[in-house]
Amino acid sequence: EVQLLESGGGLVQPGGSLRLSCAASGFTFSSYAMSWVRQAPGKGLEWVSAISGSGGSTYYADSVKGRFTISRDNSKNTLYLQMNSLRAEDTAVYYCAKNPESYCGGDCYLDYWGQGTLVTVSS
Amino acid sequence: DIQMTQSPSTLSASVGDRVTITCRASQSISSWLAWYQQKPGKAPKLLIYKASSLESGVPSRFSGSGSGTEFTLTISSLQPDDFATYYCQQYNSYSATFGPGTKVDIK
Repeated sequence: EVQLLESGGGLVQPGGSLRLSCAASGFTFSSYAMSWVRQAPGKGLEWVSAISGSGGSTYYADSVKGRFTISRDNSKNTLYLQMNSLRAEDTAVYYCAKNPESYCGGDCYLDYWGQGTLVTVSS
Repeated sequence: DIQMTQSPSTLSASVGDRVTITCRASQSISSWLAWYQQKPGKAPKLLIYKASSLESGVPSRFSGSGSGTEFTLTISSLQPDDFATYYCQQYNSYSATFGPGTKVDIK
């Protein structure tokens, strides 16, 4: 059974940093691209970033490019999202999601999702 | 970026009703479209990919159709478990985008 468990969310001041983690199990982690998708309170879904199975290719939404960094550790079956220079508009539940193929940017659907972790950016 | 719209934004229906949700893309996305169901406080769940392919384990009352810029999600006979918000997602480009969602509630 595929399981994705996010952690690392919390309250951070504007301009601050936070690192999210997503522990994966139930599938061969290194064989699949992974993504982060966020959802602001009461709002819709926004694709944030994706990384290929090997970690060699990364993709970002324009809204986070230059501030967020996606990475993965295939030896630990863990996906990360380093978020710097956080803004109030980054406040959202951040979901980790599995892509159905090894090489995906935003050009894949998402077949499994974690339960999400809430990031609140406020002073 | 490719913009996605959905209609209606809210839909009131009864158990047993046939329900259709429309999703439109600002430019052609071929068949690179997925549909998700989300319940309050829960993660989205994949229902349909490549416009009309049913994800494993999803009930056959869900179906998808369309190509190019116009797509539909149909629930043939609405069940109590189907009251939720539905999102479409285009994945034609390296920057995926979602529709704003359609909430299906009880009439």
